Amino acid sequence: GEDVEQSLFLSVREGDSSVINCTYTDSSSTYLYWYKQEPGAGLQLLTYIFSNMDMKQDQRLTVLLNKKDKHLSLRIADTQTGDSAIYFCAVLNSGNTPLVFGKGTRLSVIA
Amino acid sequence: EPEVTQTPSHQVTQMGQEVILRCVPISNHLYFYWYRQILGQKVEFLVSFYNNEISEKSEIFDDQFSVERPDGSNFTLKIRSTKLEDSAMYFCASSAPTGGSSYEQYFGPGTRLTVT
Repeated sequence: GEDVEQSLFLSVREGDSSVINCTYTDSSSTYLYWYKQEPGAGLQLLTYIFSNMDMKQDQRLTVLLNKKDKHLSLRIADTQTGDSAIYFCAVLNSGNTPLVFGKGTRLSVIA
Repeated sequence: EPEVTQTPSHQVTQMGQEVILRCVPISNHLYFYWYRQILGQKVEFLVSFYNNEISEKSEIFDDQFSVERPDGSNFTLKIRSTKLEDSAMYFCASSAPTGGSSYEQYFGPGTRLTVT
């Protein structure tokens, strides 16, 4: 089945850019997501990209997709202390099917 | 903005007891899901539910688990006889608003289940 991998930790200075990476194994993955989890809170849908796109920008967030390498990244520009959270990569094959998640990357922002 | 809600936020139970976790999905959504996250592990899919029946379930969702939509708003997950390894954060999600997109799943804040 699908496997999604992420590095577990990332530490950046406030104001720098953060890049969180994710790899997946199933080339038929159609939708790819980034969720954010703050301490004690649920999973907040941040952004997503369709597999027929290479890039999607949404304010400070940029998602890059390399389908050939099955690599997804999330770039956060001008990272703030409020961005400190766990970021989950998730993929699915078609609407209403289960999401497959990575383990999450804990982003720590140093002031 | 509409959101998925879950109760309780934390449930402590003894091994062998039954627990019911409750969720109120977003009101015009049609698909409902339960996922769980054991501490330090990945978020794992348990079950999806559509049109008053299970549409898909994982290997984790064995006979000890059941889901129900008892009325027009609640969606529940029942664990009949809890085991220590059921300790986890349980997330409810919903998707597919009537006439809308079906690929955005919105999650509740989770219920932390601790089995002692």
